[in-house]
Amino acid sequence: GAGVSQSPSNKVTEKGKDVELRCDPISGHTALYWYRQSLGQGLEFLIYFQGNSAPDKSGLPSDRFSAERTGGSVSTLTIQRTQQEDSAVYLCASRAGGGSHEQYFGPGTRLTVT
Amino acid sequence: KQEVTQIPAALSVPEGENLVLNCSFTDSAIYNLQWFRQDPGKGLTSLLLIQSSQREQTSGRLNASLDKSSGRSTLYIAASQPGDSATYLCACTYYSNYQLIWGAGTKLIIKP
Repeated sequence: GAGVSQSPSNKVTEKGKDVELRCDPISGHTALYWYRQSLGQGLEFLIYFQGNSAPDKSGLPSDRFSAERTGGSVSTLTIQRTQQEDSAVYLCASRAGGGSHEQYFGPGTRLTVT
Repeated sequence: KQEVTQIPAALSVPEGENLVLNCSFTDSAIYNLQWFRQDPGKGLTSLLLIQSSQREQTSGRLNASLDKSSGRSTLYIAASQPGDSATYLCACTYYSNYQLIWGAGTKLIIKP
């Protein structure tokens, strides 16, 4: 079946512009995560959605970052007034929920802020 | 603070050798531990997931072990092949929100 998809695969933007990154989770998965992988650094958690519960935003690095998940499916990560340090690969993962805790990852969006 | 450490950071071995990658975690109250593979410019592929109640998991030439008491996991790769070259990441899931806490990875190169 279809896995997690993300778009765009690559995004180059100018400093100060806003960007939106999209994630389509596996159908039926109730949990959705965003992670960021900066060059030469490990992955870091950004935000977590579980069903209709309030999202866990504890990993968002600043108030320029926000995310929403519409209809319990597609999620959009928005970065306002992008800075060069925002350049990274942004990864989305989904999880079936219930007793399953394996996360399935999308291919990521490589964001470059010039 | 929950931290995950992977040693070595990089490893280069000849084809055919058996090898072990190491992962350690500071908080032993994990829910599960996963090993992932990441190829350059590509996403993450889950290799093995070990629940906290398990000691090991096997898939083909891969075997992952878990010792919660010592805060350690190993990934054993048998009869390595050039196609195994990638970065291997270890990540722990904790009960709080099931987010993954990641190690920095081990970059593995298998020389033909």
